[in-house]
Amino acid sequence: SYELTQPPSVSVSPGQTARITCSGDALPKQYAYWYQQKAGQAPVLAIYKDTERPSGIPERFSGSSSGTTVTLTISGVQAEDEADYYCQSADSSGTYGFWVFGGGTKLTVL
Amino acid sequence: EVQLVESGGGLVKPGGSLRLSCAASGFTFSSYSMNWVRQAPGKGLEWVSSISYGGANTYSADSVKGRFTISRDNAKNSLYLQMDSLRAEDTAVYYCARDNQVAGFDPWGQGTLVTVSS
Repeated sequence: SYELTQPPSVSVSPGQTARITCSGDALPKQYAYWYQQKAGQAPVLAIYKDTERPSGIPERFSGSSSGTTVTLTISGVQAEDEADYYCQSADSSGTYGFWVFGGGTKLTVL
Repeated sequence: EVQLVESGGGLVKPGGSLRLSCAASGFTFSSYSMNWVRQAPGKGLEWVSSISYGGANTYSADSVKGRFTISRDNAKNSLYLQMDSLRAEDTAVYYCARDNQVAGFDPWGQGTLVTVSS
């Protein structure tokens, strides 16, 4: 079955830049999405279509794509950004309606 | 305000059944595909099932295929998940989420906890 691979954890100090990667063979052909989930809360969409930021998401959040890897970048990390982050994409079959999530990355703000 | 509210979770014995509901408000429910996503305690997100805006097309993860059935009632602005032959590994918080086509899953409900245990 198709998998999206994320690092289990990333740690940064306040004000630094955090980069969270997500790898998958089908990512060159399928859009990627990023979700932020704070402790005890439902996930929130942070990035869609690889690079687009929904309204209400701070400008310090950005997305990029290169080959089989997509990256969520948080510039000038703040304490409130500490959360779990999940990437998502369509299944490698390309059938719309089948979805896959990465295993999640815990962002720790030191 | 766009809102999704799940209900129907609870404690059920292995092999039992449960039906989850998701009540939608603040948007034209019949215009959107919908999804169920679950999260086992301390684990990551797992996509469970999706249904097209009219209900004609449904898709499910291999882990629940043949046991879970997604459906919707557009007249009642409601999404459902019928869960049969439940197993301990189905224990999770179940979220419903609106599918904005290429704009991602947004919003999500607050989730409802399903516990499968004897």
